[in-house]
Amino acid sequence: RKEVEQDPGPFNVPEGATVAFNCTYSNSASQSFFWYRQDCRKEPKLLMSVYSSGNEDGRFTAQLNRASQYISLLIRDSKLSDSATYLCVVNDGATNKLIFGTGTLLAVQP
Amino acid sequence: EPEVTQTPSHQVTQMGQEVILRCVPISNHLYFYWYRQILGQKVEFLVSFYNNEISEKSEIFDDQFSVERPDGSNFTLKIRSTKLEDSAMYFCASTPLTANTEAFFGQGTRLTVV
Repeated sequence: RKEVEQDPGPFNVPEGATVAFNCTYSNSASQSFFWYRQDCRKEPKLLMSVYSSGNEDGRFTAQLNRASQYISLLIRDSKLSDSATYLCVVNDGATNKLIFGTGTLLAVQP
Repeated sequence: EPEVTQTPSHQVTQMGQEVILRCVPISNHLYFYWYRQILGQKVEFLVSFYNNEISEKSEIFDDQFSVERPDGSNFTLKIRSTKLEDSAMYFCASTPLTANTEAFFGQGTRLTVV
């Protein structure tokens, strides 16, 4: 099983749509979870941390299910500027390194 | 807003040559990292550095790689004898604390080995 697994997409959605991304991780000892956004040939940028209680930042909502080792990201009212690759990132648990998923490509179309 | 800066943005080198990639982490951060991303693939951990020594390294980080913090601000990655397969984006990152804190990434250095 891959350490962090994501559907690579692409997800092609119209502006205004709601889109959800899912991610699973294999290491039950992982403690920290993040969604990063990566534009083409750019660095990963933190979108939001993910907490067990779930958290929301504007149009973005992240959820964590530790029992299922599952993380989700919901984007409401998609904008053209949301087009990017969304990276599910998990810390190793025993160390301070981050494990990245392959990313899910989102293309928001007018 | 403080940021991680990397130089150069693009480096082309011949196979077998040594390269040094440079990074200036955020000033009050304590942990420093190098990651790499081969084109079309996922971001992979190379090495973490804390208190002037390597705290962890991956299988990728073999004897050809080394890191150094030569002064209070710079953090460098050296590849001694580059191979074609070293061609990738190399990202430096830093965190204020360990584990449960998000990492801030530099804009990356694109290394092309020819």
